[in-house]
Amino acid sequence: QKEVEQNSGPLSVPEGAIASLNCTYSDRGSQSFFWYRQYSGKSPELIMFIYSNGDKEDGRFTAQLNKASQYVSLLIRDSQPSDSATYLCAVTPTGRRALTFGSGTRLQVQP
Amino acid sequence: NAGVTQTPKFQVLKTGQSMTLQCAQDMNHNSMYWYRQDPGMGLRLIYYSASEGTTDKGEVPNGYNVSRLNKREFSLRLESAAPSQTSVYFCASSEAGANQPQHFGDGTRLSIL
Repeated sequence: QKEVEQNSGPLSVPEGAIASLNCTYSDRGSQSFFWYRQYSGKSPELIMFIYSNGDKEDGRFTAQLNKASQYVSLLIRDSQPSDSATYLCAVTPTGRRALTFGSGTRLQVQP
Repeated sequence: NAGVTQTPKFQVLKTGQSMTLQCAQDMNHNSMYWYRQDPGMGLRLIYYSASEGTTDKGEVPNGYNVSRLNKREFSLRLESAAPSQTSVYFCASSEAGANQPQHFGDGTRLSIL
């Protein structure tokens, strides 16, 4: 079982819709959770991080964390074609001093 | 602010050659990291340095060495390059502590023939 799992996609949504990206993790003691956006040929760019159960909103982005279910998600409201990218979920497992990344979900927003 | 700067951006090597990838950050971060990214594999940690003077192995350290030269700089060396090391290499930095967000450089695209 991978430590951090994401559906590779592509996830295709129409412009203006809500895109929902999901991530599960295996280590129940994981402490911190991050979402990065990566455009093709570019480096990962931090979008959001969340440490506590519940929702955290920043503009069009909402991160949701459910530690009991070992599940973290990213919602993108009013999706735009410029949101088309690969979204990487990253987690800090127990006792680790660095992040573990999922393989990413490719999002396509159709105009 | 430059953030995290990596050099070179592209490199082609022959099998058995050696080279050093350079990384420098200007954010006064304590921790620095080297990752490689292969298609469908996500980012895999090669080595990290939690603070100046310390380095630790990550998930895929074989074939690599690192040097934390000072607080700003963290280099990655391939002593004898192999085709399996063809990849995109990213350097990142963060405040001290694994719970801190990491900030990435633009990457080095390395091909080994």
